[in-house]
Amino acid sequence: AQTVTQSQPEMSVQEAETVTLSCTYDTSENNYYLFWYKQPPSRQMILVIRQEAYKQQNATENRFSVNFQKAAKSFSLKISDSQLGDTAMYFCAFFTNSGTYKYIFGTGTRLKVLA
Amino acid sequence: KAGVTQTPRYLIKTRGQQVTLSCSPISGHRSVSWYQQTPGQGLQFLFEYFSETQRNKGNFPGRFSGRQFSNSRSEMNVSTLELGDSALYLCASSLASGAREQYFGPGTRLTVT
Repeated sequence: AQTVTQSQPEMSVQEAETVTLSCTYDTSENNYYLFWYKQPPSRQMILVIRQEAYKQQNATENRFSVNFQKAAKSFSLKISDSQLGDTAMYFCAFFTNSGTYKYIFGTGTRLKVLA
Repeated sequence: KAGVTQTPRYLIKTRGQQVTLSCSPISGHRSVSWYQQTPGQGLQFLFEYFSETQRNKGNFPGRFSGRQFSNSRSEMNVSTLELGDSALYLCASSLASGAREQYFGPGTRLTVT
């Protein structure tokens, strides 16, 4: 069975600094996608970044980038130049539609950006 | 385009009661998925509806059920509420069944006392 593990329940970072959130997953699938979602306090969950498993190049979206290590089944999120608006719960998620539909989320990392 | 809307936003119920939550997807989206979010458990997939049919189901008891209407709006029902059902219930819409791109609503916060 697929699992997604986020081992850091809470993290904090100073404004303008860089922080890395960890995520590991377990699967026997070859075709899948990985996502990072952001859930700000009392606001809607939004997609931050997506990575296709078949792509070796790490995805980047402005200040957000991932380090995707397929063999190690690791998918970390790096936030550069952290801003107060980055304060949120971050969820790592695994998706596959090969055979059985599965959308599995980790337990989340609460990130606080300090002024 | 309007986003995903969920009603009500907050709900307090008593053990043993039943509750119905509603979700309106983004216009043009035909798939609606439901998730239960609790501290320490993250998001757990309940079920997905597409074209008024349940297409995928998570590992929840039969007390949790849903349906989808012809306009793609979806309702989720929980019967015989238990204290452990207290959670944030999120719905997410997507264009088609099994689509990887999901757009989340703000959630319904259910408290069972």
